[in-house]
Amino acid sequence: DVKVTQSSRYLVKRTGEKVFLECVQDMDHENMFWYRQDPGLGLRLIYFSYDVKMKEKGDIPEGYSVSREKKERFSLILESASTNQTSMYLCASRTDRVRGGYTFGSGTRLTVV
Amino acid sequence: RKEVEQDPGPFNVPEGATVAFNCTYSNSASQSFFWYRQDCRKEPKLLMSVYSSGNEDGRFTAQLNRASQYISLLIRDSKLSDSATYLCAVNTGSQGNLIFGKGTKLSVKP
Repeated sequence: DVKVTQSSRYLVKRTGEKVFLECVQDMDHENMFWYRQDPGLGLRLIYFSYDVKMKEKGDIPEGYSVSREKKERFSLILESASTNQTSMYLCASRTDRVRGGYTFGSGTRLTVV
Repeated sequence: RKEVEQDPGPFNVPEGATVAFNCTYSNSASQSFFWYRQDCRKEPKLLMSVYSSGNEDGRFTAQLNRASQYISLLIRDSKLSDSATYLCAVNTGSQGNLIFGKGTKLSVKP
């Protein structure tokens, strides 16, 4: 089974801090994604990457950046955390762009105070 | 029309009931379809892919209707442990990213 590991399950940060959320997958998947999930809004795509050093903006990239220096690792960066970035953050990966379903990490519940 | 739409529910059903969820999608070029299950405060987990001819996995049956642009999930003989939110996902255009519905909440009661 593919494993997608997110470094923290729960995180509390202060407004203005720079926050790093790490995601590692162990199945050599090319495609990786970062979502946030909020009640009533569903899953919203922040950024995605189809290959090393490649990144593309999703639907809500403002306030976020990403890094993919190695194939297995996709990091989400909150440049200056704000309270409206309090959310559940989910990383996902997949092997096949056409047919592949996503495998999600267990999520990071981030609270910005 | 939203890209992927689901009835949010909640669906409250007794144990043993049969329950069906529908999910409509707007992009007629979509090629891949999935159902995910998400337990409270957990990540979505792939339940099943949806194939053109329909497919079954135990008590779960998934179907695709391309003409009307919807997929469905049927759960037979509901168990308490089926209580969860069910998300549909549909791939989009050339990039192939999945678009997720907001989910349908199912609560199975004794």
